[in-house]
Amino acid sequence: AQKITQTQPGMFVQEKEAVTLDCTYDTSDPSYGLFWYKQPSSGEMIFLIYQGSYDQQNATEGRYSLNFQKARKSANLVISASQLGDSAMYFCAMIPSNDYKLSFGAGTTVTVRA
Amino acid sequence: DTAVSQTPKYLVTQMGNDKSIKCEQNLGHDTMYWYKQDSKKFLKIMFSYNNKELIINETVPNRFSPKSPDKAHLNLHINSLELGDSAVYFCASSLGTASGGGYTFGSGTRLTVV
Repeated sequence: AQKITQTQPGMFVQEKEAVTLDCTYDTSDPSYGLFWYKQPSSGEMIFLIYQGSYDQQNATEGRYSLNFQKARKSANLVISASQLGDSAMYFCAMIPSNDYKLSFGAGTTVTVRA
Repeated sequence: DTAVSQTPKYLVTQMGNDKSIKCEQNLGHDTMYWYKQDSKKFLKIMFSYNNKELIINETVPNRFSPKSPDKAHLNLHINSLELGDSAVYFCASSLGTASGGGYTFGSGTRLTVV
């Protein structure tokens, strides 16, 4: 079974600053995918970024980048130039390549201060 | 156009009632899922269908019965609702095992049992 760990239950960040959300995972599968989702107070799950375990480069999507360190089994999300609208809960998730089940971490709540 | 749409968004009902949640996706995906998010925001898979065939059936009370009439639809019927069923239920879809990303969630249905 896959285990996803997000050790930061809550974080505060100043507007326009960068923030890093930690995620570590435990799997014996050699091939897998890593996801980050944003859940604002309105409740929907918004896909942010994806990283495949064999991707050579770290994924980036606009202000989001994924700091993937395969040997350490970590997939930290970096949000640059934080905006007030970034205040939300963020979930890290992992899926083995031969599986359909997405396993989630417990989430990190980010609050952006003006 | 909403990619994965769920109805209703909110559902308040009394204990013992039977209710259904509907989900439709227009992404051309072949796999659909039901996830449950509990009061602590933890997300866990309940069921998955691939091309109308049930492929994941986690430890869920048999009061919960999914039905997939076609690849684009997945409904969840819940019999004899209990207080502990109160949660947010998310539908999701993917193309196969989502290698390369593309695991999309609906906006959720908040079920409150009173």
